[in-house]
Amino acid sequence: EPEVTQTPSHQVTQMGQEVILRCVPISNHLYFYWYRQILGQKVEFLVSFYNNEISEKSEIFDDQFSVERPDGSNFTLKIRSTKLEDSAMYFCASSDPTSSHEQFFGPGTRLTVL
Amino acid sequence: DQQVKQNSPSLSVQEGRISILNCDYTNSMFDYFLWYKKYPAEGPTFLISISSIKDKNEDGRFTVFLNKSAKHLSLHIVPSQPGDSAVYFCAASRGAGGGADGLTFGKGTHLIIQP
Repeated sequence: EPEVTQTPSHQVTQMGQEVILRCVPISNHLYFYWYRQILGQKVEFLVSFYNNEISEKSEIFDDQFSVERPDGSNFTLKIRSTKLEDSAMYFCASSDPTSSHEQFFGPGTRLTVL
Repeated sequence: DQQVKQNSPSLSVQEGRISILNCDYTNSMFDYFLWYKKYPAEGPTFLISISSIKDKNEDGRFTVFLNKSAKHLSLHIVPSQPGDSAVYFCAASRGAGGGADGLTFGKGTHLIIQP
């Protein structure tokens, strides 16, 4: 069964450093998303991406965040200058055009900012 | 700003019995609702969904009921099995017809199935 994959599974970084989280969505999906879950809190929407541009973003997704689809398979989230409060699980998701509400999630990347 | 609320942080049910998980929402713009299941250290797994034009959707042991006037939905699992022990998230989406809409999640209910 096709699935969303994410790398790395765990990323540790120093405050102020840039990180890039990588995702490979399901191959025939056209809509891509990033979410985060801070420990003990709910899953929060960050951004959605379609046709090589941002479709929707939340107030969390400020200028320190950016997304890119550098090739036909990868979808990345870049955090320019990490803060302690960026420590969270980051989930990538994708959906297909015929049932775009049903989003399929990857296993997540645990980001720890020291 | 809790647009999607799951008021029970945990629920314990005996194996073989019915599990009922509840969810309330406040935003009238939501028109599609989903339930996800999550195990520790994994991503949410899609379970079942319902459009706001329906009041019931069934898939095997899982049934979701939607009461639009009360802004309430519930997930029924019958019969409950040990492998159902997980955190269940209710989520909602705006925009009929699809599009890259972000989901709004509740805080989750930890379901524990006791043998």
